[in-house]
Amino acid sequence: GQQVMQIPQYQHVQEGEDFTTYCNSSTTLSNIQWYKQRPGGHPVFLIQLVKSGEVKKQKRLTFQFGEAKKNSSLHITATQTTDVGTYFCAGHSNDYKLSFGAGTTVTVRA
Amino acid sequence: DSGVTQTPKHLITATGQRVTLRCSPRSGDLSVYWYQQSLDQGLQFLIQYYNGEERAKGNILERFSAQQFPDLHSELNLSSLELGDSALYFCASSVVAGLADQETQYFGPGTRLLVL
Repeated sequence: GQQVMQIPQYQHVQEGEDFTTYCNSSTTLSNIQWYKQRPGGHPVFLIQLVKSGEVKKQKRLTFQFGEAKKNSSLHITATQTTDVGTYFCAGHSNDYKLSFGAGTTVTVRA
Repeated sequence: DSGVTQTPKHLITATGQRVTLRCSPRSGDLSVYWYQQSLDQGLQFLIQYYNGEERAKGNILERFSAQQFPDLHSELNLSSLELGDSALYFCASSVVAGLADQETQYFGPGTRLLVL
């Protein structure tokens, strides 16, 4: 079945630095979504990418969808303490099933 | 506040027991999804309903079942509970049926289940 792998599992970042988390699928995806879950909270939708090669930005966050629609990345610049949490990618296969990656848990050193 | 409500917030029960988790979707949302989140398994999609009918199935055990009622609220029934069923159970809702290019899911606060 479809598998969505996310790396790294943990990301420890110095405040002000940049980092990237990657998402890879074993199958071609119809779209990919990114969610953020703060400690003790619930996942909150961030963005959806649909087109091959699509790039979207939200302030310091840049999301990319690969040309083959099998991978995606989230790049955060100038990390802040408010970026702490777990970032999940989730990909839709053609049979409507949504598979979540295991998430990248981000901690920030002030 | 996502507009999705879940009850109860916490549930403590014993192995072998049966529990029911309840979810009310956002006003106007027709789709409801259930997820299980445990420390070692991440976020696992269990099942999706759209307007009362099952739409998609994920990694849901046979001991688990769900339904969506005419008023669109949903219940997740967990039976013959095992220690490994201890997890956070999230409900999410979306407007559409899960068409891949139109769906945004709004998650509820979750129900934390502890099986002793």
